[in-house]
Amino acid sequence: RKEVEQDPGPFNVPEGATVAFNCTYSNSASQSFFWYRQDCRKEPKLLMSVYSSGNEDGRFTAQLNRASQYISLLIRDSKLSDSATYLCVVNPRYNFNKFYFGSGTKLNVKP
Amino acid sequence: GAGVSQSPSNKVTEKGKDVELRCDPISGHTALYWYRQSLGQGLEFLIYFQGNSAPDKSGLPSDRFSAERTGGSVSTLTIQRTQQEDSAVYLCASSAGTGQIGTTEAFFGQGTRLTVV
Repeated sequence: RKEVEQDPGPFNVPEGATVAFNCTYSNSASQSFFWYRQDCRKEPKLLMSVYSSGNEDGRFTAQLNRASQYISLLIRDSKLSDSATYLCVVNPRYNFNKFYFGSGTKLNVKP
Repeated sequence: GAGVSQSPSNKVTEKGKDVELRCDPISGHTALYWYRQSLGQGLEFLIYFQGNSAPDKSGLPSDRFSAERTGGSVSTLTIQRTQQEDSAVYLCASSAGTGQIGTTEAFFGQGTRLTVV
């Protein structure tokens, strides 16, 4: 079983839509969680960390559900520039420097 | 530049040749990672270095792949006797390894696009 699993998509949404992605992780000892964004033919970059209490950064909201072992990313009022692949990343508690990446969820925001 | 630097940015090689890919991590970062990404696919973990500890090589796909990190800084990924299925983008990342919960961000280089013909 993969450490991190994501729906590959693509999610095709119109501008202004709200879209949500989920990601499940297999190791209950996972400690830290992140969402990275990867544009086409570019390197991944940190979008936001995910805190236990949930956190928001502008139009982006991240949630963590430890009981069900999933994290989510909600994007409100989608922009064309949000089109990218969103990667879910977890750090296990036994090695806070090791990152497990999901294979990514592709988002296409259409005019 | 303070970011992760990788070279070359593109490499075309003939099947059977050896290649070396280089990564300069962010100064002071103790953790260094190599990932591979095939076209349209997710990141595949290859190898991880943390300080002076023995590297985690569990992701290397075959014994044709090896990596070293000299002086806790620069890393070289070597692929011997390249095969066409080795064609991918090879991404290097580093992190500060502070251990602070929720703050250990990985910074990526722009990758080396390897094409084996």
